[in-house]
Amino acid sequence: SAVISQKPSRDICQRGTSLTIQCQVDSQVTMMFWYRQQPGQSLTLIATANQGSEATYESGFVIDKFPISRPNLTFSTLTVSNMSPEDSSIYLCSVRKRDRGSVNYGYTFGSGTRLTVV
Amino acid sequence: LAKTTQPISMDSYEGQEVNITCSHNNIATNDYITWYQQFPSQGPRFIIQGYKTKVTNEVASLFIPADRKSSTLSLPRVSLSDTAVYYCLVGVVEGGSQGNLIFGKGTKLSVKP
Repeated sequence: SAVISQKPSRDICQRGTSLTIQCQVDSQVTMMFWYRQQPGQSLTLIATANQGSEATYESGFVIDKFPISRPNLTFSTLTVSNMSPEDSSIYLCSVRKRDRGSVNYGYTFGSGTRLTVV
Repeated sequence: LAKTTQPISMDSYEGQEVNITCSHNNIATNDYITWYQQFPSQGPRFIIQGYKTKVTNEVASLFIPADRKSSTLSLPRVSLSDTAVYYCLVGVVEGGSQGNLIFGKGTKLSVKP
């Protein structure tokens, strides 16, 4: 399975500012996903980021608030813009990849970025 | 994507077998059933995946009845380190699918000494 490095692991930010979260994968993957997990809650998909095309956002999430870059097959960034305390969450990236010899795709998650907005 | 229903929480003691059942009445023909484990401050981790009958790996077993409308994750002889949230997901994992995973609320398993 793929190995994901997500940075930063945590940050405390002032309201009104923006934070860019990086997701680096150790191998090329077509599909990358960004999730948000609010305290004590399950994961909610923000968007799907495919290389060579614009990200596809889920209902309730917009590009102006969560711009995503996908410059190549191993890297993506998610920016949380104009932050407010309601944006305090854990943000996780995930990749989908078929392992050699397997017929199915496996999903691997980064360890997440814990964001606190004050 | 099929919706899943799991118990919100479960308690167990060390050494016991734990069975977590997930309902997915609207599962589609091409859907697989996948379970993930999440510890605090970590991303979800793949546990096991199956389509029908029984699947076993070094960590758990997955039981799926013939109608596939439910599935049961079985953890043998749990330890304190198995305390985590367990998510049941249903969806297509083969090539050509939309690809994203939709998480339900999960089951918070607490293992006590």
